[in-house]
Amino acid sequence: EAGVVQSPRYKIIEKKQPVAFWCNPISGHNTLYWYRQNLGQGPELLIRYENEEAVDDSQLPKDRFSAERLKGVDSTLKIQPAELGDSAVYLCASSPPAGDTQYFGPGTRLTVL
Amino acid sequence: GQSLEQPSEVTAVEGAIVQINCTYQTSGFYGLSWYQQHDGGAPTFLSYNALDGLEETGRFSSFLSRSDSYGYLLLQELQMKDSASYFCAVSLYSYYGGATNKLIFGTGTLLAVQP
Repeated sequence: EAGVVQSPRYKIIEKKQPVAFWCNPISGHNTLYWYRQNLGQGPELLIRYENEEAVDDSQLPKDRFSAERLKGVDSTLKIQPAELGDSAVYLCASSPPAGDTQYFGPGTRLTVL
Repeated sequence: GQSLEQPSEVTAVEGAIVQINCTYQTSGFYGLSWYQQHDGGAPTFLSYNALDGLEETGRFSSFLSRSDSYGYLLLQELQMKDSASYFCAVSLYSYYGGATNKLIFGTGTLLAVQP
């Protein structure tokens, strides 16, 4: 069974540029999460989807961050415009219905110059 | 607010036993999970406790004391490949009952296993 797939794995951009990350969760997992992980820290939840619905986006900086999960499968996280402080690893995770365990993808390491 | 505390670093030798502690202050605590993350890799689920006591999974065990807001991860027969960061994470009660799917992670403990 394939795990959570994310692309790209690495991204380097200049500040004020837009950037997008893509995630394909494990088949059958209806819950999808986007986390941000700063160096030396634990992952911090940005947004959680139950199928197509964003059920928790309280930690998403909505002035520059947006996300979508069309058709309740793949998801895209976008930053526009990027700031220096956005440099981090962006992790996508998914979990099955009524499941507690979250399965993480390898992440996208973003560097903003 | 929610907070979790873990030691930042732990060092041990191959074959030894190491314990990584986690204390938490949260409202609506439901359960405690442990994740392993190798450098540059994805966090991987290790263990979960919703009730007090010890859960054993191979070389790894996890303990929870809800009354003390405390848990630990115990790694036995340490191997070099166990060198990684270990995160405790709390899950919270859902308004509708049961656990939410939201995890709050600690800052992680970097375990270095030496030969």
